[in-house]
Amino acid sequence: AQKITQTQPGMFVQEKEAVTLDCTYDTSDPSYGLFWYKQPSSGEMIFLIYQGSYDQQNATEGRYSLNFQKARKSANLVISASQLGDSAMYFCAMREGRGTSYDKVIFGPGTSLSVIP
Amino acid sequence: GAVVSQHPSWVICKSGTSVKIECRSLDFQATTMFWYRQFPKQSLMLMATSNEGSKATYEQGVEKDKFLINHASLTLSTLTVTSAHPEDSSFYICRTNARHTEAFFGQGTRLTVV
Repeated sequence: AQKITQTQPGMFVQEKEAVTLDCTYDTSDPSYGLFWYKQPSSGEMIFLIYQGSYDQQNATEGRYSLNFQKARKSANLVISASQLGDSAMYFCAMREGRGTSYDKVIFGPGTSLSVIP
Repeated sequence: GAVVSQHPSWVICKSGTSVKIECRSLDFQATTMFWYRQFPKQSLMLMATSNEGSKATYEQGVEKDKFLINHASLTLSTLTVTSAHPEDSSFYICRTNARHTEAFFGQGTRLTVV
């Protein structure tokens, strides 16, 4: 069963506008972590933001914020003030467990974001 | 700087030959390394999990005799694609959990089998 769902295969956003990338997940483990990664055409995976299942507040990192709605099992990424360099693939990922070194991280199908000048 | 160094970044090989991909952890001990494969325009699919000093654990559908993983030390894990075929052409990337809030990736290797 699909554990990470990203329903938007592709998104367009005007430069300087905000954009929300959707992510829903499925787990029965009370302890888990959610990640967002950016993958430009070069292939490298760039860590953006992390949200732990027990974190009380939504995570923020600069222009990135995570809209964490635990009851709905959603972890949407909000990018404010989009820049041309934000054009890339974005992956939502989940780690089940308490975060030991051997915990697997699984990835959603990804969303391709294109920022329009 | 890079926490995990992966080499080579790209490789072209002839069908039937073997290719070794290395991932080295820098400045920390990687007890566990995860290997992923990514086909064009698709997501990262976990292939196997390697733990230092023990046999790798492969995901369902991944041929362990074709994708040999060695994790002989705390700083080096290798993936060898044996008898490569064109359908093995893909982007291979390693990852380790240096701390629970972040997963560190190698730079990835683009393999093309001709």
